[in-house]
Amino acid sequence: GESVGLHLPTLSVQEGDNSIINCAYSNSASDYFIWYKQESGKGPQFIIDIRSNMDKRQGQRVTVLLNKTVKHLSLQIAATQPGDSAVYFCAENAYKYIFGTGTRLKVLA
Amino acid sequence: EAQVTQNPRYLITVTGKKLTVTCSQNMNHEYMSWYRQDPGLGLRQIYYSMNVEVTDKGDVPEGYKVSRKEKRNFPLILESPSPNQTSLYFCASSSTAFSSYGYTFGSGTRLTVV
Repeated sequence: GESVGLHLPTLSVQEGDNSIINCAYSNSASDYFIWYKQESGKGPQFIIDIRSNMDKRQGQRVTVLLNKTVKHLSLQIAATQPGDSAVYFCAENAYKYIFGTGTRLKVLA
Repeated sequence: EAQVTQNPRYLITVTGKKLTVTCSQNMNHEYMSWYRQDPGLGLRQIYYSMNVEVTDKGDVPEGYKVSRKEKRNFPLILESPSPNQTSLYFCASSSTAFSSYGYTFGSGTRLTVV
C-alpha cells in the first residue's frame, strides 16, 4: 500500500550543527509535500512545503529538497538550536494527505 | 488568533462510557478532519468533513462517529469506548482538503480507556 516513511527514528545533533531529516514516499502521483514539526504536548505545525515541480525550497533556516527520481524528501535545518528539538514528519498529498511516522530530533548542548 | 481548539486535553474513561471530544476552529475553514496518533504509526485519519453536513470515513473509522452541523465545530464521538481507542487525537482544519498550506492542528486530546 501507499506509505510515507523515514529512515531514522531518532537523530541527535550538536547545537550549531546542521540537521538533515529524510523521508521516502511511495506514491509517484503525489504532487505536494509538507514538513511538520511537533513539539512535546503540541499539535503538528507547518514548517515548509514544496510542490513536485520544484527541487528545492528555502525558508528561514530550513531547506526542503525533493528528488522525484528516487521519491525522496529531505529537511535541512541550519545551525540547529535547542528549540528545534521535536518530532519532524513529512506528509505527501496525492488524492489525500498521508503522514509519515516521524523522526525525533534531539539537540545536544 | 487563528486556531483549532480541542477539549478536553486529557481524558481517562472506562470501557463503554460514551464520550465526546470537541473541536472548534475560528478560521472559517471548510475542511475539518480527525486523526489519531499512535507510536510507530503516524497520523491516521478517522473521519473528515468537506463542508457542513458532509462527512466521510477516513482510514480508521470503526468505533467513532462525527457530526458537522455548523462550519466551526466538528465533534468526535465514541459511543462505547474500548481500550484499543487509547490514543492521542488531533483535530485539523484547512480552507480545502488540498490546501496549499496544509492543515492547522489542534493541541491534541490524550485519551485513555481503562
